[in-house]
Amino acid sequence: GESVGLHLPTLSVQEGDNSIINCAYSNSASDYFIWYKQESGKGPQFIIDIRSNMDKRQGQRVTVLLNKTVKHLSLQIAATQPGDSAVYFCAENTRSSNTGKLIFGQGTTLQVKP
Amino acid sequence: ETGVTQTPRHLVMGMTNKKSLKCEQHLGHNAMYWYKQSAKKPLELMFVYSLEERVENNSVPSRFSPECPNSSHLFLHLHTLQPEDSALYLCASSQTGGGDGYTFGSGTRLTVV
Repeated sequence: GESVGLHLPTLSVQEGDNSIINCAYSNSASDYFIWYKQESGKGPQFIIDIRSNMDKRQGQRVTVLLNKTVKHLSLQIAATQPGDSAVYFCAENTRSSNTGKLIFGQGTTLQVKP
Repeated sequence: ETGVTQTPRHLVMGMTNKKSLKCEQHLGHNAMYWYKQSAKKPLELMFVYSLEERVENNSVPSRFSPECPNSSHLFLHLHTLQPEDSALYLCASSQTGGGDGYTFGSGTRLTVV
């Protein structure tokens, strides 16, 4: 069935380095993708999104890249800070009838070393 | 606060108890969702309500019963749960019902003993 997966369950980076979190998706019909950040004890929080008519989108210290050819999504975090430590989920939107639903990957835990 | 409030934050219940989880959103959204988050598993969609009508039920056991009395409130009624139902239950809302940009609550951490 449809699934969204992440390549690595855990990523450990040094404070100040750039982080790259990857995600592969399987539904070529998906047209909307989101990255969420979930800190301990909290619900997932929206970071950045991208639609399938775009290849790249930038936010504050974050960039999302979409490669539709290989169905790959990545989140780049510049100058990673301790506050970036969290679980990161990618999600794709599958639209059916008059509702859509987000399908989430398993998540990558980002650990930032001081 | 994200605009989506869930209560209680933590709940411990016995297998014969009946309890309810509550979700309230103040964002003017017209769709609400229940997700289950277990350790080391992806978020599992349980129920979708769009314009107060249930539009999706992902083969969830009948011991979970959702209720959406209006577009701002969503409940999950629990009865005769099993220990494997212990998880973080997340509520989310969105504007269009199309899945764009969900806003999540902080969740209810449920432990079934």
